[in-house]
Amino acid sequence: EPEVTQTPSHQVTQMGQEVILRCVPISNHLYFYWYRQILGQKVEFLVSFYNNEISEKSEIFDDQFSVERPDGSNFTLKIRSTKLEDSAMYFCASRPYGQGNTEAFFGQGTRLTVV
Amino acid sequence: AQSVTQLGSHVSVSEGALVLLRCNYSSSVPPYLFWYVQYPNQGLQLLLKYTSAATLVKGINGFEAEFKKSETSFHLTKPSAHMSDAAEYFCAVSDYGGAQKLVFGQGTRLTINP
Repeated sequence: EPEVTQTPSHQVTQMGQEVILRCVPISNHLYFYWYRQILGQKVEFLVSFYNNEISEKSEIFDDQFSVERPDGSNFTLKIRSTKLEDSAMYFCASRPYGQGNTEAFFGQGTRLTVV
Repeated sequence: AQSVTQLGSHVSVSEGALVLLRCNYSSSVPPYLFWYVQYPNQGLQLLLKYTSAATLVKGINGFEAEFKKSETSFHLTKPSAHMSDAAEYFCAVSDYGGAQKLVFGQGTRLTINP
């Protein structure tokens, strides 16, 4: 069964460092998303990506964040200068195109720890 | 703006008992509604979804949910709890158009007592 895969599963980084979280969405999906879940809190939307551009972003997704689809398969989230409060589980999700295709498929997540 | 409220951050039931997890939503347009489950150290898995067809939706693992527009609710139920149901459950809402981003509730941790 096709699935969304994320790497790494856990990343520890020092404050101020850049990190790149990687995702391989399901191959025929056209909408891509990043969400995050700070420990003990709700899952929050960060950004959606369609047709090689950001289609919507939340107020959390400020200038330190960027997303890219560098090739036909990967979808990355870059955090330029990490802060302690960026520590969270980051989930990638993808969805097929079409009004009837409402289900987003989630990856296993990358736990980012900023020290 | 859309929002979701899940009543009860922790619910504990006995094995074999009814499971009821509550979800109320706020949306200015007819919503899509979802329940996702998160097992320890795993990602989010879709349990079921409402997309304006039947108001009673059946999902995986014996779960079902009923969309009640008058109550703006989408409560999740299972007639008989199993130990393997212990997990975190998230209710989420999205709208029809655009990116269809999900807005999640704060989650309910379900504990099953033997």
